[in-house]
Amino acid sequence: GIQVEQSPPDLILQEGANSTLRCNFSDSVNNLQWFHQNPWGQLINLFYIPSGTKQNGRLSATTVATERYSLLYISSSQTTDSGVYFCAVVNRGSTLGRLYFGRGTQLTVWP
Amino acid sequence: DAGITQSPRYKITETGRQVTLMCHQTWSHSYMFWYRQDLGHGLRLIYYSAAADITDKGEVPDGYVVSRSKTENFPLTLESATRSQTSVYFCASRSGGAGETQYFGPGTRLLVL
Repeated sequence: GIQVEQSPPDLILQEGANSTLRCNFSDSVNNLQWFHQNPWGQLINLFYIPSGTKQNGRLSATTVATERYSLLYISSSQTTDSGVYFCAVVNRGSTLGRLYFGRGTQLTVWP
Repeated sequence: DAGITQSPRYKITETGRQVTLMCHQTWSHSYMFWYRQDLGHGLRLIYYSAAADITDKGEVPDGYVVSRSKTENFPLTLESATRSQTSVYFCASRSGGAGETQYFGPGTRLLVL
């Protein structure tokens, strides 16, 4: 299956700082989603972004499909941003649409 | 409530017992999925269903059984639970084609003693 690599694996920030999370994938995709897994374990959809740029409040994401990477930007981080951020993709040409997940970036935001 | 729900949210059982995890979605999505999340392995696909009465194996199906008699429900059964099945189980659904957004339920934490 398609390989998904996320970096960095861990990130520790002070409240108010900005950060960039990266997702590299090994093949063409027709779906890319960013998720936030909160401390209670729930997977929250952040973005559906197979290409282009989207913004939602303090979060934004950019996917450059031709270069096989996506970036998630978090500005003015808050303690509630803590958790694990996952990138997940679907192979272009897949009929099932099974998501392949990266290992995630563990974000800790200190007050 | 609208959306995708899972029950129970937490379950403790013993090895050898049968356990059924429930998944219900109110969107009439065609596709439904079961994933398990384990440290060191990320999320892995167990089973999926393209429609009522159509199911197929994913990456790690051994020891699990699924059914889908109604579009909105997709139960996952552990026929004889083992300690290696201790995990967090997520159900997901998707409405249309392979490139559409998948939505995840809140998860079920299962501990097999």
